[in-house]
Parts: sequence; C-alpha cells; structure tokens
Amino acid sequence: ILNVEQSPQSLHVQEGDSTNFTCSFPSSNFYALHWYRWETAKSPEALFVMTLNGDEKKKGRISATLNTKEGYSYLYIKGSQPEDSATYLCAFIEGSSDYKLSFGAGTTVTVRA
Amino acid sequence: DVKVTQSSRYLVKRTGEKVFLECVQDMDHENMFWYRQDPGLGLRLIYFSYDVKMKEKGDIPEGYSVSREKKERFSLILESASTNQTSMYLCASSLSQGQNTEAFFGQGTRLTVV
Repeated sequence: ILNVEQSPQSLHVQEGDSTNFTCSFPSSNFYALHWYRWETAKSPEALFVMTLNGDEKKKGRISATLNTKEGYSYLYIKGSQPEDSATYLCAFIEGSSDYKLSFGAGTTVTVRA
Repeated sequence: DVKVTQSSRYLVKRTGEKVFLECVQDMDHENMFWYRQDPGLGLRLIYFSYDVKMKEKGDIPEGYSVSREKKERFSLILESASTNQTSMYLCASSLSQGQNTEAFFGQGTRLTVV
C-alpha cells in the first residue's frame, strides 16, 4: 500500500482568507500527482495533473506546486469563497503501476461567510 | 460530455446477498477502478482493470470480485454482503497512455447492508 498522506484532515477558513494544505507521497519512482475537488453530492473532479518537479499549476484562485524530490505538493486557495468548500484529494501514480491512482484521505475545507 | 455512470445511487441489501454494482464509461478508456470511501479514510482502491478481462487487486480486495467482459463496463461483485461493506462506492476511468491521465468518476453508489 502506497503511503499518500494529506494534512490537515480538515480546516475552517473565513471568507476572503487564503489557505494551503499538503499532500505527501513516496519520493521514489514518481510518475504523476493529481489533485481532485469533491463537492458534496457531486463526483470528484480533476483540478490539476502534475508531472514535473517544480511544476506550478493555476486555475482561478486555486494553485498547486510540486516537489518530487522530497515528495510533497501544496494546494493553495487565495481569497477563499463559500463555493470553495469541498474535500480536496490528491492521488499519486507510481512509475511502474499501469497508471493506478493511490489517493490520500483528503482535506475537507469549509469556508465560513 | 464525458460520462461515467453507476447503475444505482442508493442500494439496501441484506447480509449474505450477492450484490452487483455496475459501472459504464463512454470515453473508450482502458483503465477502470473501483474505490470505496469511508469517513476519515479517503478513497481506498478495491480493484483496478487496465484492459478487458484484465484485473489487479487493489489495497482492500477481500470480499469483492470484479468482471470486465467489455471495455466500457466494469462490475464490482460482493460475493456475500456483510455489514462492514456498508460504504460509498465510486467507479472511475482513465486513459492508460501519456501522463495527463486524469480520472473521471461516477456519481457513487451508497450501499447499506442490513
């Protein structure tokens, strides 16, 4: 079982504040790292697919960075809005795994108005 | 619009029943996955298929089997349902070529075993 860990498990953010959280994964045999957003009563949807060390991706107010050598990725939310409330999942793909995704337990973000 | 469809949103089954969860995708994806989601544990991989008739055990395969007779359909089978299999089950699919292989998910099946 691959060790993919996310922290914190949950966080509460005031509307307008910025926040960030972490995904750690094995630093050897890296292939790709995905971030997904899972809103209540919906299906998880991909935010970012990250493949290169030093990658930085951005979608609106949400961005992510990747460090494959030390095995971590950060997700940032700038100026949080209530619609950002969701569980954010990271998924690691190992190099020899036939593109099998191993997920962390997620970080649940609640944005208070 | 790409789509992964699971046959049921909600199911209630009795202990000992054989249960079939069906998943169909219309994107011609090679890979298909079955996960279960439990509070605090995230998505745990039950089984994975990378081609028709090919399957690989995930992290928690005990008590489950799968079938992939056609590329678009991946079935999860609970041979004899037990109460500890009460959970949310998610099906997903992805391409197997290239690095930008994001997964697409179904809407989930919430299974209750009584």
